[in-house]
Amino acid sequence: DTEVTQTPKHLVMGMTNKKSLKCEQHMGHRAMYWYKQKAKKPPELMFVYSYEKLSINESVPSRFSPECPNSSLLNLHLHALQPEDSALYLCASSQDPTGGVTGELFFGEGSRLTVL
Amino acid sequence: DQQVKQNSPSLSVQEGRISILNCDYTNSMFDYFLWYKKYPAEGPTFLISISSIKDKNEDGRFTVFLNKSAKHLSLHIVPSQPGDSAVYFCAANIPARQLTFGSGTQLTVLP
Repeated sequence: DTEVTQTPKHLVMGMTNKKSLKCEQHMGHRAMYWYKQKAKKPPELMFVYSYEKLSINESVPSRFSPECPNSSLLNLHLHALQPEDSALYLCASSQDPTGGVTGELFFGEGSRLTVL
Repeated sequence: DQQVKQNSPSLSVQEGRISILNCDYTNSMFDYFLWYKKYPAEGPTFLISISSIKDKNEDGRFTVFLNKSAKHLSLHIVPSQPGDSAVYFCAANIPARQLTFGSGTQLTVLP
């Protein structure tokens, strides 16, 4: 199993809603990531979890709250988002939490978020 | 400061011809380079990589060339197929650090 699965694929929410994005991998990877991607831009790193502990927070606003319940699952809780937060949110995993030699990431298909 | 640059936002190529996508970097600490391919509304998928100790890596129709002295790498696709139409991201790695991505090149292969 070499997949990273993300749900939901599409999410529309109002600025007062609370919702969550979910990510799952069963490759035994010890690092999991949240990226945000706007159209025609590279993925922007948001959070990194290493061995289920938050190791990197790239100064992300607190309206985004990550959670790693176990080594296979990663959630992103959303609350009071702004329309400019509309984007494709990508989950990724890697075998080596330090990035390893190659730094190769395995991405999910993403959750397309629209904030009204 | 963009450490990984893809200066061509788009490229159009005729089916069957060669596609050449370019990437430049500034940080000499990068020692592993990757290309990812992304279709609309999907996550990026790994395509091919190269270590800094090599100057070429080939996988089927895809070949990546690395010129360390020029801090330049390129991805060659030959022959190009319509299904290759996608955004291609160059990425670079320093061990124990996070990947740095370029801004991407939209490749369109015309039938």
